[in-house]
Amino acid sequence: EAEVAQSPRYKITEKSQAVAFWCDPISGHATLYWYRQILGQGPELLVQFQDESVVDDSQLPKDRFSAERLKGVDSTLKIQPAELGDSAMYLCASSFVWGPVYEQYFGPGTRLTVT
Amino acid sequence: GDSVTQMEGPVTLSEEAFLTINCTYTATGYPSLFWYVQYPGEGLQLLLKATKADDKGSNKGFEATYRKETTSFHLEKGSVQVSDSAVYFCALRGTQGGSEKLVFGKGTKLTVNP
Repeated sequence: EAEVAQSPRYKITEKSQAVAFWCDPISGHATLYWYRQILGQGPELLVQFQDESVVDDSQLPKDRFSAERLKGVDSTLKIQPAELGDSAMYLCASSFVWGPVYEQYFGPGTRLTVT
Repeated sequence: GDSVTQMEGPVTLSEEAFLTINCTYTATGYPSLFWYVQYPGEGLQLLLKATKADDKGSNKGFEATYRKETTSFHLEKGSVQVSDSAVYFCALRGTQGGSEKLVFGKGTKLTVNP
C-alpha cells in the first residue's frame, strides 16, 4: 500500500541552527500539506501546496520557515534559525486533489527537538 | 473561526469496556467531520468520517453520528481492546471561503488495560 514518506524521523538540533525536513507524497497526489503538532495538541496546518503552488500558508511563520515543492512532487520544509519553541512533530500529508471528498493520508512525521 | 473541542484525557479503560469520547464543534456552514487515530510512533490515520447531518461514520467497531442540532460528533465503541490504545483526534473540514483545511481538536489519549 502506498504511503507518505518523511525523513528524518527524528532530529535534534541546537537553537539558531538550520534544519530541513523532507516529504515524498503518495504517487499521483497533487495536494501536499505540512502540519505542526505540538505535544499534547492537535496538528495545525502550516502550508498547503497544489502541485508546485502554495494554496495556503497563512499559519507559516515566514520569518524563519520556508517550504517548497519545486517539481510538484516531493517537498522540503526548512526552519532557519530554529528556536526552542519549534520543538514539535512535523507531519506531512497528501491527497489526490484539493477537495472535501478526498482523504488526506499522513506520513509518520519528523519529531524535532531544539536544545 | 472554526474550532473543535474534545474530551480531555487521558482515558483509561479495561478491555471490553464501553468507550465514549465527546467532541463538539463550532463552524459556519456545513463542515465535514472526522475522527483520526494516532498509534504510538505513527502518523494519523483516518478512522471514520461523516459529511452531512445525521450521517453515521463507522469503522473497526467505532461509530460516530453527525448531530447538527447539538454540533457534536461523539466517538463510541461497544467493547474496546488493548490494541485500541492510541490518541484519538476529532477534526472538521470547513466549507466557508474556500478554506478546506482540517481543524483538529487537542486529542484524547486512550489506554486499554487487559
